[in-house]
Amino acid sequence: LAKTTQPISMDSYEGQEVNITCSHNNIATNDYITWYQQFPSQGPRFIIQGYKTKVTNEVASLFIPADRKSSTLSLPRVSLSDTAVYYCLVGDRPGGFKTIFGAGTRLFVKA
Amino acid sequence: DVKVTQSSRYLVKRTGEKVFLECVQDMDHENMFWYRQDPGLGLRLIYFSYDVKMKEKGDIPEGYSVSREKKERFSLILESASTNQTSMYLCASSLQGAKNLNTEAFFGQGTRLTVV
Repeated sequence: LAKTTQPISMDSYEGQEVNITCSHNNIATNDYITWYQQFPSQGPRFIIQGYKTKVTNEVASLFIPADRKSSTLSLPRVSLSDTAVYYCLVGDRPGGFKTIFGAGTRLFVKA
Repeated sequence: DVKVTQSSRYLVKRTGEKVFLECVQDMDHENMFWYRQDPGLGLRLIYFSYDVKMKEKGDIPEGYSVSREKKERFSLILESASTNQTSMYLCASSLQGAKNLNTEAFFGQGTRLTVV
């Protein structure tokens, strides 16, 4: 399984766009990239998933360059409630076998 | 609304006790997982199951066992609890899906276990 590397923490202000980049140099051809969000004392929650180029949903966008060795989660106009830990995962069966979570990025949004 | 329910939010057990953590999902998912989460270590996979009575070890299975007698229920068992098993335990489930088909995992609220 491909290992992922993310920044340990990031700070932002309300209303700003936040981009969290994840490196996955050993990503395999069949691997998908998935991002989860976790609030304190709760289980992680799925945010977005992609294979290549760009994926957008009502919560976030995911940018994946052609070589797929990294990906960027983009959160538009963050609010205080977006303060959470964000996990990047890579695997061939997202949510399936052996979904490996790294340490995640702790995002702190300030007023 | 999809749901993964863990039987307890908080649990305190004594060293050497046998501990059962129960997880139930109502989404007819094939896959179920147990993770533990510790500060600075993220989530680590203990065991997973892709079908009834099927189980596979994750990254840290030592000191744990699991049981999946029914599709909706996945139990984590600490045979003889030790203080280093004090942790947050998270259960998750997902559809098996076809290969390369996106499937997201749904997590329970977690059980914070303290072993004294």
